[in-house]
Amino acid sequence: EAEVAQSPRYKITEKSQAVAFWCDPISGHATLYWYRQILGQGPELLVQFQDESVVDDSQLPKDRFSAERLKGVDSTLKIQPAELGDSAMYLCASSSYRGLGNEQFFGPGTRLTVL
Amino acid sequence: GQQLNQSPQSMFIQEGEDVSMNCTSSSIFNTWLWYKQDPGEGPVLLIALYKAGELTSNGRLTAQFGITRKDSFLNISASIPSDVGIYFCAGPGQNFVFGPGTRLSVLP
Repeated sequence: EAEVAQSPRYKITEKSQAVAFWCDPISGHATLYWYRQILGQGPELLVQFQDESVVDDSQLPKDRFSAERLKGVDSTLKIQPAELGDSAMYLCASSSYRGLGNEQFFGPGTRLTVL
Repeated sequence: GQQLNQSPQSMFIQEGEDVSMNCTSSSIFNTWLWYKQDPGEGPVLLIALYKAGELTSNGRLTAQFGITRKDSFLNISASIPSDVGIYFCAGPGQNFVFGPGTRLSVLP
């Protein structure tokens, strides 16, 4: 069964360091999402790609966060420099549809701890 | 920004009981999605609703798209221990938004 792949599953870093997360969506899925989930809360959308283009990054803290999907397939989310408040689960999801509201399938997430 | 509210925030039930939870929004949604998340894992899609009044089932789960398009309901019948987890509603507002979740505990 096709799945969204994410790596690493866990990451521990010190504040002010740079971190990067990788996501490989389900094959053929045009839309890719990155979410941040703080413990005890629902996921919060950071950025949405359609193919290689950013559709929505209104909630991405652009002073320290960046995301790219250069060939419209896999994607990387980077944080530089990491801050203590960035400790959270970072989730990637993909969808075969080209709009809002359609079924998204999530990867297992990357748990980030910033010390 | 747009927010979703879920109730109850948490619930403890006996195995075999039925469960009801709901999700509300201050604005109209055209789609409602229900997800379940286990600890340390990503959310798993349970049910998707696309039409006001729609009632959709997936095994022991049944979800409804509210007539006002501002709410949705999820019911679980005859709960079992593996139903334990956090249930999220989600939908497309100004951007895709998730509710805060309902945490379900099932007592044997």
